[in-house]
Amino acid sequence: AQSVTQLDSQVPVFEEAPVELRCNYSSSVSVYLFWYVQYPNQGLQLLLKYLSGSTLVKGINGFEAEFNKSQTSFHLRKPSVHISDTAEYFCAVSEQGAQKLVFGQGTRLTINP
Amino acid sequence: ETGVTQTPRHLVMGMTNKKSLKCEQHLGHNAMYWYKQSAKKPLELMFVYSLEERVENNSVPSRFSPECPNSSHLFLHLHTLQPEDSALYLCASSQGEGNSYEQYFGPGTRLTVT
Repeated sequence: AQSVTQLDSQVPVFEEAPVELRCNYSSSVSVYLFWYVQYPNQGLQLLLKYLSGSTLVKGINGFEAEFNKSQTSFHLRKPSVHISDTAEYFCAVSEQGAQKLVFGQGTRLTINP
Repeated sequence: ETGVTQTPRHLVMGMTNKKSLKCEQHLGHNAMYWYKQSAKKPLELMFVYSLEERVENNSVPSRFSPECPNSSHLFLHLHTLQPEDSALYLCASSQGEGNSYEQYFGPGTRLTVT
């Protein structure tokens, strides 16, 4: 069975600093990987996805993530955060060919001025 | 309307009430999902519908009853709920025949059971 672990439940960062949100997964088959963001009182919005090809994936709002198959990781990064990036971030995995997404527990990113 | 919409956005109900949550997707997708999001817990997949047929039911109590009359609409019928059912209920849709199955989410219904 697949599982996703987001190693940090909360990450406080100062504005304009870089940030990395960590995600590790386990699966016995090839997977697709996703990062979603949830702003307060809203649903989840897709930030980026890895399906195949280049292991460095760029998404919306200046975020990027790198797929590392040997370390089964898919960490999310942004070189300079903004107050508006304050939100909950979810990593998710699905087996290729399956419709089911398995989510991590989420990481709350707080940006301090 | 675009994307995935959910109504109502907020719902307060007593344990003996019956209510329904509605989800509508305007993306031409053929798969729809219900999730439960509680504080301090990961998102829990409740039900999956593909081509209007239920393909997954994750051991959800029978007090939750889904209905998918067509590929654009999904309902969650609620009856005799418990206070621990208070949560944010999220609907999502995807294009099941695609390669990625990325899911698009609605804004959710915040349910409070009193």
